[in-house]
Order: sequence, then C-alpha cells, then structure tokens
Amino acid sequence: DAGVTQSPTHLIKTRGQQVTLRCSPKSGHDTVSWYQQALGQGPQFIFQYYEEEERQRGNFPDRFSGHQFPNYSSELNVNALLLGDSALYLCASSLWGSDYGYTFGSGTRLTVV
Amino acid sequence: DQQVKQNSPSLSVQEGRISILNCDYTNSMFDYFLWYKKYPAEGPTFLISISSIKDKNEDGRFTVFLNKSAKHLSLHIVPSQPGDSAVYFCAASPYAQKLVFGQGTRLTINP
Repeated sequence: DAGVTQSPTHLIKTRGQQVTLRCSPKSGHDTVSWYQQALGQGPQFIFQYYEEEERQRGNFPDRFSGHQFPNYSSELNVNALLLGDSALYLCASSLWGSDYGYTFGSGTRLTVV
Repeated sequence: DQQVKQNSPSLSVQEGRISILNCDYTNSMFDYFLWYKKYPAEGPTFLISISSIKDKNEDGRFTVFLNKSAKHLSLHIVPSQPGDSAVYFCAASPYAQKLVFGQGTRLTINP
C-alpha cells in the first residue's frame, strides 16, 4: 500500500522563476494539505484541497497556489520565487473531516538561489 | 504568533530512562493534539494523539498527557531506545482543520 508520494525530491531554482511540486496521496485518502518547513522550524500550513477546491488557506501570499485533480493528486505552484521560499515542502493526505490519520510524504527540498 | 510552542530545542536522555517532551499551546479552540516523529530525509510520522476530552492516552512505550487548564501537553517515552533518536513535533488541530506545529525538539538517546 503506497503512502504519500512527492516529486521531485530535490529542486534548485533561480529567484523569480516558477516551480511546480507534485503529490500523490495515500490510497483511500481524498484530501491533500501542503506544508512548508523552513530550516529549524516546524511545518507551516499552506493550504488544503478537497473535491478539487481549496478549503483552507494559511498565511501565505497569492504566489502560492495549488490544484487538485479528480484522482486526488495535487500540485503546489510557487511563482516569482524568493530566496526565503527555500524550504522542505511537505504534502499530507487524509480523509476529509478526520482529525487524525494525516500521512506525510518525504517532501521536496526546494533551494532558491 | 506561535500558537504551539516547544521550548526545548534539544533533549539528551540515557538509554532505558524516561524521555519527557513538552509542548504548550495558546489557542483554546484546539481540540485534538498529535505528536509526530521525524527522521532526516523523511516526512513526519504519526506517533500518538489525544482528544481534548481526555487527559491521558497510552500506546506501548508512549504516553501523552494533556493539561487543558495549563494548556500544556507532554509526551513520555519509557524506556527510551536508541531508535527513538529523532526530531519530535507537537501539533494541534481545531476540529478537522489544519495542523499547527511546534518548532520541534531533537531527542538524542545515548547508549
């Protein structure tokens, strides 16, 4: 039973560029959440998708956008990259309405130079 | 505004002894609390959770205690094993909403 799959695992981008990160949720899960983990910090909530709609959003600028597909997979897009966007981006899948059972992927390490 | 705080960045414990990790929160709307463990190059792995209607939950070597009046929770690991060495994150959730994480505590178990 595959868990949460994220791609790519590592990425290096230049300031001002755009990036797309991808996530396939755990089998049976229908909700995808994205988190940003800066070095030495805990993960911070970016947004959550269910039924192909953004349901919740954290305190992140509009440069961060996302999408969920009919097969529940999801993408995170970041435009106009800043050096401060360098972080580990984590995808978590779950069942809608559940407090527990969040399964995290191993993350995508984004470095902006 | 740090709603969930783990004030100890690191903790070192002898193998076989008890490890106690602490977490404080400020938001009274949190009704579910979780602990995650994270190894390098891996995503956080769920460890144990507790609902706000309980004050203790136990799972094998792991016990989580919740003190709602103090807005404090703790994770006890006994006995501590070398494989427990990792970063531990406390997280809180207002019903079925996003997870709010603390900064993490790096636990090192010494042989």
